[in-house]
Amino acid sequence: EVQLVESGGGLVRPGGSLRLSCAASGFIFSSYSVNWVRQAPGKGLEWLSFISTSGTTIHYADSVRGRFTISRDNAKNSVSLQMNSLRDDDTAMYFCAREGTPPRGPWGQGTLVTVSS
Amino acid sequence: QSVLTQPPSLSAAPGQKVTISCSGSSSNIGSNYVSWYQQLPGTAPKLLIYENNKRPSGIPDRFSGSKSGTSATLGITGLQTGDEADYYCGTWDGSLSAGVFGGGTKLTVL
Repeated sequence: EVQLVESGGGLVRPGGSLRLSCAASGFIFSSYSVNWVRQAPGKGLEWLSFISTSGTTIHYADSVRGRFTISRDNAKNSVSLQMNSLRDDDTAMYFCAREGTPPRGPWGQGTLVTVSS
Repeated sequence: QSVLTQPPSLSAAPGQKVTISCSGSSSNIGSNYVSWYQQLPGTAPKLLIYENNKRPSGIPDRFSGSKSGTSATLGITGLQTGDEADYYCGTWDGSLSAGVFGGGTKLTVL
């Protein structure tokens, strides 16, 4: 079964850091690009970042550029999102999603990040 | 404020047809493929339409997509109560070098 599973979410104080992971299984991971998308409570989808198959092409939304860093390890079938200088408005469910932008999917089930003092 | 504009909500009766619009600009919808997603409460988004009008396997032909100029439309026929969900359009914006989504449309089937 093609699957993406996010992890690493939790409660963090404003200004803090968190590293999210997206573990892939059921397909040839190195052949697919990956995106991160988030959804604040009760709000719509917000695209955050894209990484190409080899990691050589990376894009970020203006809202996270300079604070978030996307990376991938094809040997471990995983993508990470390093989040620094977190703010209250970064509170959201964070999803990883496979293949292209906008992503064709599948999407993971999400991991919740709460930024609060 | 989303780059792509969708109606916040729509409602229709079971069995009816509904269309959801998505308006953008020449840098996004006007020059790139559009996808549509369905998000049921408490779940991750699911792809309904990609490349403007193509359905992934397993998506019934009650769902259709089209694009004209800088706008796209999702059509749903034979509405069912199970179609109650939030629907999002998405595409790439070449000027922003970023992915963009619409604000979402909450569909009520009553």
